[in-house]
Amino acid sequence: NAGVTQTPKFRVLKTGQSMTLLCAQDMNHEYMYWYRQDPGMGLRLIHYSVGEGTTAKGEVPDGYNVSRLKKQNFLLGLESAAPSQTSVYFCASSYPDPQHFGDGTRLSIL
Amino acid sequence: KQEVTQIPAALSVPEGENLVLNCSFTDSAIYNLQWFRQDPGKGLTSLLLIQSSQREQTSGRLNASLDKSSGRSTLYIAASQPGDSATYLCAVGNNNDMRFGAGTRLTVKP
Repeated sequence: NAGVTQTPKFRVLKTGQSMTLLCAQDMNHEYMYWYRQDPGMGLRLIHYSVGEGTTAKGEVPDGYNVSRLKKQNFLLGLESAAPSQTSVYFCASSYPDPQHFGDGTRLSIL
Repeated sequence: KQEVTQIPAALSVPEGENLVLNCSFTDSAIYNLQWFRQDPGKGLTSLLLIQSSQREQTSGRLNASLDKSSGRSTLYIAASQPGDSATYLCAVGNNNDMRFGAGTRLTVKP
């Protein structure tokens, strides 16, 4: 049972480049979330989804887009990466509680 | 806006000691409260989930309490072990919006 799987685990981008982070869960959970974690701060919610085909904004949505075309997958996109988006990104899923987390994606924007 | 504070930011104790981690929040209108454990370079693991109607939850050597009226939660760890060394985060949930504290980094020395 893989749980929540995030790809890639590490990535370095140049300012202005775009990329997509993939989150996949095999627990048939309805709810999925994307968070970012910065040093000295708690996790902050970027976007979330309460079911296939639905998405909603969280606390810090600017500069990110998401899609939930399939129940098991939740994609986070950065259209034009900025240094302020350097962070560790976590995906989570739930039914709706408690939340199960992936191991994170470390993203650096140069 | 809900703000979650965890004190202390770091704690070092000898093995076998009982300890208490604190979490405070500013808005008492919460749906639930969760305590998580995070190991270095890893995602979060849910330890205990307390619904707003509950006062406490227990799992093994862990006990979490919730006092909504005062905006406080505590995580009690009995007979601490070196394997308990990790960062502990509390998160306050209101519908799909979960707000995290910055965490307490716990070190248990053999």
